[in-house]
Amino acid sequence: DVVMTQSPLSLPVTLGQPASISCRSSQSLVHSDGNTYLTWFQQRPGQSPRRLIYKVSDRDSGVPDRFSGSGSGTDFTLKISRVEAEDVGVYYCLQGTHWPWTFGQGTKVEIK
Amino acid sequence: EVQLVESGGGLVQPGGSLRLSCAASGFSFSNYLMGWVRQAPGKGLERVANIKQDGSESSYVDSVKGRFTLSRNNAKDSLYLQMDSLRPEDTAVYYCASLLRGSYPHWGQGTLVTVSS
Repeated sequence: DVVMTQSPLSLPVTLGQPASISCRSSQSLVHSDGNTYLTWFQQRPGQSPRRLIYKVSDRDSGVPDRFSGSGSGTDFTLKISRVEAEDVGVYYCLQGTHWPWTFGQGTKVEIK
Repeated sequence: EVQLVESGGGLVQPGGSLRLSCAASGFSFSNYLMGWVRQAPGKGLERVANIKQDGSESSYVDSVKGRFTLSRNNAKDSLYLQMDSLRPEDTAVYYCASLLRGSYPHWGQGTLVTVSS
């Protein structure tokens, strides 16, 4: 199975400051169809996961543009340009290129 | 608006059974692969099982193979997870989710399964 490794696992941030989460895969996530199926989810406390970003950098409808995704191959990043209080929660990456799909361990974002 | 509503969770003794249900609305259910993802208390997300659009094929994480059975009824826009021989390590919130192009776009609110004596 493809191993997804996130870092850091805990990320204290100051309101209004940027934040960045890394997700690395144990093998390339480029699919034979040419797409790269790397997704980012946000899970706020007490809520179910919500998809933010799919195919590395496509933002879901309603997701603030302060969230952006980038990367290629085995190295991916989720960036929050200016952290707001509502961004507190755990963020997970998911690879959907190789079966079985696998999640990263999660990164907990909290306010300093 | 897309909605996935799970039900059927609860407290069960080790070795017991539960059947989870997921009622879908707001999208064309029969066109989507569907699945279940679980989250043990304080832990991360784990894919449990998924099923093709016509129900002809399903796959399971190794730890539940032979114990869990996934099925669907496209006429009722519903997904089911029959869980037998439950173990304490199956304790988790179980989320129903749709699968599309290498991702899970839609999630339910989850249903808690607790396996304990």
